[in-house]
Amino acid sequence: QVQLQESGPGLVKPSQTLSLTCTVSGASISNINYYWSWVRQPAGKGLEWIGRIYTTGSTDYNPSLRSRITISTDTSKNQFSLNLYSVTASDTAVYFCVSLVGATRSLDFWGQGILVTVSS
Amino acid sequence: DIQLTQSPSFLSASVGDRVTITCRASQGISTFLAWYQQKPGKAPKVLIYAASTLQSGVPSRFSGSGSGTEFSLTITSLQPEDFATYYCQQLNSYPVTFGGGTKVEIK
Repeated sequence: QVQLQESGPGLVKPSQTLSLTCTVSGASISNINYYWSWVRQPAGKGLEWIGRIYTTGSTDYNPSLRSRITISTDTSKNQFSLNLYSVTASDTAVYFCVSLVGATRSLDFWGQGILVTVSS
Repeated sequence: DIQLTQSPSFLSASVGDRVTITCRASQGISTFLAWYQQKPGKAPKVLIYAASTLQSGVPSRFSGSGSGTEFSLTITSLQPEDFATYYCQQLNSYPVTFGGGTKVEIK
């Protein structure tokens, strides 16, 4: 069973960088069966896919966020990370790290989510 | 981007009812569609993938069907624990997109 846990600051100031880390257990970040993804959800709203990274280092990002995000991995720590630059209040959301299974193209394992508020 | 339109956005039903939620894609996505259930304060949980394959451990009262642009999720006999919000999701092509959600509430 793959388990994921988000960590990072719960409060970020406008124009600064939101940085989150996801620690994976039960599977290696290098596992070829998974794509490591981020999804966010503003309060009371729907789900928005942010992007994903594969073991090769290849990434796909949501075009609406592409200019402001970087997703990377740290294989030594079995973690992957999200950096979202130049944040505004509209980036306030619960952020989930998720494993996307390549074979089924579904988001099978989710972290519990972390609320990040953008406010001065 | 491929847009997914779910209907209805809100559904009021009773325990034991049969309910169907539909998801329409803006272009053909073969069967690369999944369905999720989300309860308040929790992460979504995958119910169905590949349009009609039941995820391990999900009760058989849930079923999915469809291909191309029209999909549906059916719950044959609604149980108290099924009151939640349901989302469809496609990955025929990046970016991954989700439907707007269907909230199923107790009548």
